[in-house]
Amino acid sequence: GAGVSQTPSNKVTEKGKYVELRCDPISGHTALYWYRQSLGQGPEFLIYFQGTGAADDSGLPNDRFFAVRPEGSVSTLKIQRTERGDSAVYLCASSARPIGGGARYNEQFFGPGTRLTVL
Amino acid sequence: KQEVTQIPAALSVPEGENLVLNCSFTDSAIYNLQWFRQDPGKGLTSLLLIQSSQREQTSGRLNASLDKSSGRSTLYIAASQPGDSATYLCALGAGSYQLTFGKGTKLSVIP
Repeated sequence: GAGVSQTPSNKVTEKGKYVELRCDPISGHTALYWYRQSLGQGPEFLIYFQGTGAADDSGLPNDRFFAVRPEGSVSTLKIQRTERGDSAVYLCASSARPIGGGARYNEQFFGPGTRLTVL
Repeated sequence: KQEVTQIPAALSVPEGENLVLNCSFTDSAIYNLQWFRQDPGKGLTSLLLIQSSQREQTSGRLNASLDKSSGRSTLYIAASQPGDSATYLCALGAGSYQLTFGKGTKLSVIP
């Protein structure tokens, strides 16, 4: 596809349930990011993949959150034992491989997001 | 820890007016700065990317500037149109390429 896609667009679940959110990045982009946006706030970083590996997961709030990218393309964000405080829009972004040396860093392109509501 | 502030939180202007949105940050050790647009219930659309070695970028009616020494960036919108109504977010790239966002400025352009 032309852009980053995310499914589902909306997810309503009950407290304590398990959910999976999917991100399909722009073809050829090696870097993939997950962010979370609460109402009235800017997006907050969760995790960054370079290829198949999680290069930085320092933004994950606790061990109920986990993300994978097994083949270096599609990524899945997994949330166990959901809580009402997890309700937010989960955004995925991708970029071409960052170019090192301090010269240029590549633009991130965002998907439309998944709105998660935990009842 | 990088702190990003956007002022004002909301702005309402009549159609045709030129306007400036402000973004300030606390840590000048950044790789780049991106300005995004977000429409209600939608994802983010990238508007402009300024690398740390650059001072400004232009795209159509938009011009973004970056002054790392003072920790400031501005987004200038010329001849505003009702279709420009949206929330504008600035974000700084640093560390492991993650972006740190401000809370945004909600712009309303009145016909």
